[in-house]
Amino acid sequence: GQNIDQPTEMTATEGAIVQINCTYQTSGFNGLFWYQQHAGEAPTFLSYNVLDGLEEKGRFSSFLSRSKGYSYLLLKELQMKDSASYLCAVRDGDYKLSFGAGTTVTVRA
Amino acid sequence: IAGITQAPTSQILAAGRRMTLRCTQDMRHNAMYWYRQDLGLGLRLIHYSNTAGTTGKGEVPDGYSVSRANTDDFPLTLASAVPSQTSVYFCASSDSGGGGTDTQYFGPGTRLTVL
Repeated sequence: GQNIDQPTEMTATEGAIVQINCTYQTSGFNGLFWYQQHAGEAPTFLSYNVLDGLEEKGRFSSFLSRSKGYSYLLLKELQMKDSASYLCAVRDGDYKLSFGAGTTVTVRA
Repeated sequence: IAGITQAPTSQILAAGRRMTLRCTQDMRHNAMYWYRQDLGLGLRLIHYSNTAGTTGKGEVPDGYSVSRANTDDFPLTLASAVPSQTSVYFCASSDSGGGGTDTQYFGPGTRLTVL
C-alpha cells in the first residue's frame, strides 16, 4: 500500500511562515499535489510538483525531493483565512492519488 | 459554470437501506472519482472511471458500486448501508485520468450518516 505522512496539527501567528512536511513511500511516482481544505468544504488544488525543486505561487511554495520521498508546503505571510487543513497527495504508478491524513493549520492573531 | 455538483448535501439513512449518491460535472472531464473522508484517515479512493463506459476499483470498494453511462454523471450506490459507511463522500473529476498536470477537482461533498 501507499504510505504518506504529514503532521497532524500546526499553529502559527498571523504574518509568520509555516512549513508543512510530507514524506511518502508509494508504488511508483507520477507527481505530488497539495490541496487546501477549509472545514466543511471541498479540497481545492494548491500546487503540483513532478520534478525536484521549488515551485512558487504567490504566498505559497512547494518543494519536492524524489530521491528522499519528501515534499514541503511553505505558507508565507500567514493570514487568518489560511487556517485550514492541507492535504499532501501522491499520484502513484497507476496514476491514482493517495492522500495523507492532512495537517490542520491554525493561524492566531 | 457549476463545476461539480453532488446530491444530497447530507443524508441520514437506516442500516440495510439502499442509497445512491449523485455526482454531475459540466467540465467535460473524462475521468471521475469517488472518495470517502474519515477523521484521521484522509481521503480514500472508492471507485473511479477513466472514461464513460469504464469503471475501476479503488482502495476501499467493498459495499459500493458505480456506473458511468455518460461523461457527466457518476453515481455511487450503497446496496445495503452499514454504520461503517458513515462518512463524508467527495466526487472529483479530472481531464484525462493520466499524467501531467491532470488535476482533480472536487465536488462539495455529501455527509452520510448510517444508523
